[in-house]
Amino acid sequence: DQQVKQNSPSLSVQEGRISILNCDYTNSMFDYFLWYKKYPAEGPTFLISISSIKDKNEDGRFTVFLNKSAKHLSLHIVPSQPGDSAVYFCAASGRTGNQFYFGTGTSLTVIP
Amino acid sequence: ETGVTQSPTHLIKTRGQQVTLRCSSQSGHNTVSWYQQALGQGPQFIFQYYREEENGRGNFPPRFSGLQFPNYSSELNVNALELDDSALYLCASRPNPTVSYEQYFGPGTRLTVT
Repeated sequence: DQQVKQNSPSLSVQEGRISILNCDYTNSMFDYFLWYKKYPAEGPTFLISISSIKDKNEDGRFTVFLNKSAKHLSLHIVPSQPGDSAVYFCAASGRTGNQFYFGTGTSLTVIP
Repeated sequence: ETGVTQSPTHLIKTRGQQVTLRCSSQSGHNTVSWYQQALGQGPQFIFQYYREEENGRGNFPPRFSGLQFPNYSSELNVNALELDDSALYLCASRPNPTVSYEQYFGPGTRLTVT
């Protein structure tokens, strides 16, 4: 039972434009959401997170938006750079943080 | 400060055998989680250890077991290997779980079961 879903397996964006990666979840008890970036042959790297008490969190070029009523979050990357090309995973956890659920990932390609 | 390391990098085992994968967490991180990532899938949570006690478990059978040691290292043991156990196994550590949800991942161990 996939509780966190990323319905777009891949995304291509021109350098300098905005990249929008989407993630949906089914469990209303999720309290914390995270985005990770993964390069080949490396483990995922933490990118940005958001608590359920917020609807937006920004860190440099990266912004995460949370829509609790729609059970949807998105990651915006502006401007996109070729070095952003990687697989992006969203993840969710309940308040205890004792278990994390990951989506299947979206492969982002930023075209120079 | 060193990152999370895992050993071995690659491993080939035969169905029915047992395997032990190792992880060294970042210094000061008392929480470690293990994940299984099949090809084309996201990481699937196996279990989490906090201060050497298991405090969270995903939907994996008992033949998946673990240990966490006081020196921030941990092990994932899988008994009676099956072909479907072929995957990338990731460990992730983090500091006090009541403070931070951010996990730091190792590069993974690629297990192939033939």
